[in-house]
Order: sequence, then structure tokens, then C-alpha cells
Amino acid sequence: GAGVSQSPSNKVTEKGKDVELRCDPISGHTALYWYRQRLGQGLEFLIYFQGNSAPDKSGLPSDRFSAERTGESVSTLTIQRTQQEDSAVYLCASSLDMGQGSYEQYFGPGTRLTVT
Amino acid sequence: GNSVTQMEGPVTLSEEAFLTINCTYTATGYPSLFWYVQYPGEGLQLLLKATKADDKGSNKGFEATYRKETTSFHLEKGSVQVSDSAVYFCALKGGEYGNKLVFGAGTILRVKS
Repeated sequence: GAGVSQSPSNKVTEKGKDVELRCDPISGHTALYWYRQRLGQGLEFLIYFQGNSAPDKSGLPSDRFSAERTGESVSTLTIQRTQQEDSAVYLCASSLDMGQGSYEQYFGPGTRLTVT
Repeated sequence: GNSVTQMEGPVTLSEEAFLTINCTYTATGYPSLFWYVQYPGEGLQLLLKATKADDKGSNKGFEATYRKETTSFHLEKGSVQVSDSAVYFCALKGGEYGNKLVFGAGTILRVKS
């Protein structure tokens, strides 16, 4: 079946512009996560959504970052007034549940963001 | 301090060599432990996992044992292949970290024929 998809795959933007990244989770997955992977570093958690519960935004690095999710479907991550340090690969993942069970998170291919 | 610390790379091995990639973690409680792999040009995918102490996760010839006494989850493979060349990430979830995955920095593995 279809996996997690993300668009665009690559985005080059000028410093100061806003960007919007999209994630389509696996159908039926109630939990959705955003992570950031800077060059040569591990993944940093940004935000997650579970159904209609309030999202956990504890990983968002600044108020320039925001994310939305409509129900259990598509999510968009928005970065306003982009800075060069925002350059990274942004990864989306989804899973069946956000409970304490070890449900596997399935990752999308990522969006490579370059801020010039 | 770091919650997950793994061996720095790159690790370069010849085909059929023995592989160990060290991973240690810092946690209270009982997190679940994972190894993820990212092959060139592909997305991150789960390689194996262990959910409690002394559990051994295994897949594709790779193994890792959840060692609570040493807070470690080292990845091993007896005989690597060129196709194992990838970036390997150790991660944990649960305990005080809740439901998000906390990743190590990743270890690049290069296998030469």
C-alpha cells in the first residue's frame, strides 16, 4: 500500500520567505509526527498530532514554526520568515497510535529545504 | 546531555567483516529501543526494536540486545555486505520521553567489496 508521502521533495527559498511543507500519512494512521534532520546530525522532534487531541508542540524551535493537521489526514508544516539555520531535511512519520505501545513510525522521504 | 549516544562514523569495513555500532542511552523508566536505517536515496525505515530489558531485536542478520545494566543497545552483524552501506540511527521512545522518538546522531557505514 501507499506509504507516507511528502511534498515538495526539494525546496530552495530565499531568506525571509515563508514556506509550507506537506505530509500525507498512511491511511488509517492516527498519529503524525514531524522531525528535522540537519546535515550530519540526528533527527530532532518538532511536533506530533494524535486524532483530535491538542498537538505536542514541545519540539518547535521558535514561533516561526507552526503545523496543522485536519482530522487524521494531511498535515502542513509552515516556516515563516525562513533563516539559513532552517536548512534541513524535514521528515514526516505516521503510526497507528500514539500510546505507550511500540507502534512503528513509518517515515516519508522528506523535504530538503535550502534557505539561501 | 544527550539522550542517545552512538558511535561516530564513518565506519568502513570490508565485505564479510563483523560489524558493531555502539549505542548507549540515558533514561529513567523503561523506554523502547530501536535501530533505524537510511539507505542511500531512501527514507528512514525501522530495522529492529526491543521493548524491554534483555529482549533481542533481529532483522536481516542484524541483532541488538536491550541491556539495562549498561544502558546499551549495540547493533551487530556477523558478516556485512555492500548492500548494508547506509546510515544507522539508534533511537528510543517512551519512559520520560513520551511518544516521540529520540534519535542519536547516526553512524555512516560503508562496506567495500
